Amino acid sequence: EVQLVESGGGLVQPGGSLRLSCAASGFILSDHYMDWVRQAPGKGLEWVARSRTKARSYTTDYAASVKGRFTISRDDSKNSLYLQMNSLKTEDTAVYYCARVGITTWLFDLWGRGTLVTVSS
Amino acid sequence: DVQMTQSPSSLSASLGDRVTITCRASQDFNNNLAWFQQKPGKAPKSLIYGASSLQSGVPSRFSGSGSGTDFTLTISGLQPEDFATYYCQQYNAYPLTFGGGTKVEI
Repeated sequence: EVQLVESGGGLVQPGGSLRLSCAASGFILSDHYMDWVRQAPGKGLEWVARSRTKARSYTTDYAASVKGRFTISRDDSKNSLYLQMNSLKTEDTAVYYCARVGITTWLFDLWGRGTLVTVSS
Repeated sequence: DVQMTQSPSSLSASLGDRVTITCRASQDFNNNLAWFQQKPGKAPKSLIYGASSLQSGVPSRFSGSGSGTDFTLTISGLQPEDFATYYCQQYNAYPLTFGGGTKVEI
């Protein structure tokens, strides 16, 4: 089955760190750009970060709100995507989704079910 | 950043209705625009890409149109499973940005 499964969410204090993982199955992760998108409780969708393929030198892009604090990475050998989140703020509280970018459509064509990150003291 | 403004923020509709949701961008860009549907507690589902191309498996009652800065999602003949929140998204420039969402209610 083609799917993405996120893990690693939880409760963390402000200033703390957390590492999210996204396990891909049923397709070859290395063929795709992969992104993280988040959604604060009761709010809309916010793009967080992008990881490009080996062909694009594994380059990355970030939203301004997380740049310098979050790091997106991937391990193609494990078919996995990661998001290292440091210096967490209360406003980072959200459900974090990993999303696959279509090779020809550039569309987020596959989403995981999400993992909840709560930043609170 | 490209700001995406959706309207209305919510609407009430009945089964069988034709529903139109508008998305306006703060600057002109290639038609790199997508539409998503999201139901409570679920991940978004892709509907439309390239402003008007239907994603595989999406019913034909969904259609997208527009160019430049003004885009539209139309649902022709609203079905029970269509009651949800809809988002537009531009993927022409970083940061990628979403509209604020339109909640379609009975």
